[in-house]
Amino acid sequence: RKEVEQDPGPFNVPEGATVAFNCTYSNSASQSFFWYRQDCRKEPKLLMSVYSSGNEDGRFTAQLNRASQYISLLIRDSKLSDSATYLCVVRRSNFGNEKLTFGTGTRLTIIP
Amino acid sequence: NAGVMQNPRHLVRRRGQEARLRCSPMKGHSHVYWYRQLPEEGLKFMVYLQKENIIDESGMPKERFSAEFPKEGPSILRIQQVVRGDSAAYFCASSPRVDRPSQETQYFGPGTRLLVL
Repeated sequence: RKEVEQDPGPFNVPEGATVAFNCTYSNSASQSFFWYRQDCRKEPKLLMSVYSSGNEDGRFTAQLNRASQYISLLIRDSKLSDSATYLCVVRRSNFGNEKLTFGTGTRLTIIP
Repeated sequence: NAGVMQNPRHLVRRRGQEARLRCSPMKGHSHVYWYRQLPEEGLKFMVYLQKENIIDESGMPKERFSAEFPKEGPSILRIQQVVRGDSAAYFCASSPRVDRPSQETQYFGPGTRLLVL
């Protein structure tokens, strides 16, 4: 079983729609969670950290359910520029200096 | 405000040659990580280094791969006797030193795309 599992998609969504991605992780000891986005043939870029109480950054909302070991990302009012691969990322510790474990990513295409 | 720098951006090698990939961390960052992304796959951790020390090499293949982060200069990922299966994007990331729990995370360079012919 993969440590971090995501639906690979692709998700093809009309502009302006709301889209949600899910992710599950297998290591219950994991402490830190992130969403990164990766554009085609580019490096991953941090989209947002995921906090236990859930957090929002503009059109993006992240949720964490530790009991179910489940992370979600919601994108509202989607834009063409949101087209990318979204990577669910987990870290075992609360400290910054440790390896990240990546899901394989969910590919999103926003259709005009 | 230079980010993480990697070079070369593209590298072509024939089977059996050596590949050297370089990474300069973001200013103020003392921790470097190398990840590999095979075609159509997710990023996989390879190695974590601080200056002159390998902290975690649990993701490094046991043979042909080595990494260093000398006191002066960039971090180097070295692949000896490359094979076609080494063709991938190699990303370097860096982070600052963190002594307390935090959501501080890693920032990635643009990657080196290695093609083995």
